[in-house]
Amino acid sequence: ETGVTQSPTHLIKTRGQQVTLRCSSQSGHNTVSWYQQALGQGPQFIFQYYREEENGRGNFPPRFSGLQFPNYSSELNVNALELDDSALYLCASSSGRTQAENTEAFFGQGTRLTVV
Amino acid sequence: AQSVTQLGSHVSVSEGALVLLRCNYSSSVPPYLFWYVQYPNQGLQLLLKYTSAATLVKGINGFEAEFKKSETSFHLTKPSAHMSDAAEYFCAVGGSNYKLTFGKGTLLTVNP
Repeated sequence: ETGVTQSPTHLIKTRGQQVTLRCSSQSGHNTVSWYQQALGQGPQFIFQYYREEENGRGNFPPRFSGLQFPNYSSELNVNALELDDSALYLCASSSGRTQAENTEAFFGQGTRLTVV
Repeated sequence: AQSVTQLGSHVSVSEGALVLLRCNYSSSVPPYLFWYVQYPNQGLQLLLKYTSAATLVKGINGFEAEFKKSETSFHLTKPSAHMSDAAEYFCAVGGSNYKLTFGKGTLLTVNP
């Protein structure tokens, strides 16, 4: 049990639709990161938020966007869904801002998104 | 830029045998290195991490990894495999923030 919960666990959407995935972190975890894990691949970094501001982004188009709220919850929004967006989406949270603070990032169980 | 190469997408061992999962990394800055385990339909669980302290890092469930700068390697080992070790293992490299670059993973099968 990591204290990081994601909802929903599974989701099926149609190409072109929009989707919102949610993550609830532990109290005090100011950093949240989102990853996309395609089938048979390692997770790929989408972006990271610290205290409600984006402070890092991977190689994903602007139709991937996020929000972080003061209550330690966050969202990943994906517009204009494509078939290749089908993947497991993971969020990870930590109490620190940087690795140097030697705080662990805890992963949620993920949301399995299928785009048809 | 940072990258990770995991040698062997699938490793099969007998119960009680040595487990060796290979990871090589590339990083332009002193890296933070991690091994994660993922069980089916689960998120990622941290096994161990290297943060420039001791080069031999001990983790949970009897796993350990050795950081070798000259070889840019961070291989994961366990002296004696258990059936419950069967899972997918990911090596990752991180920089100063929490962005992690993962390898493609190694599926470990443990045979009775």
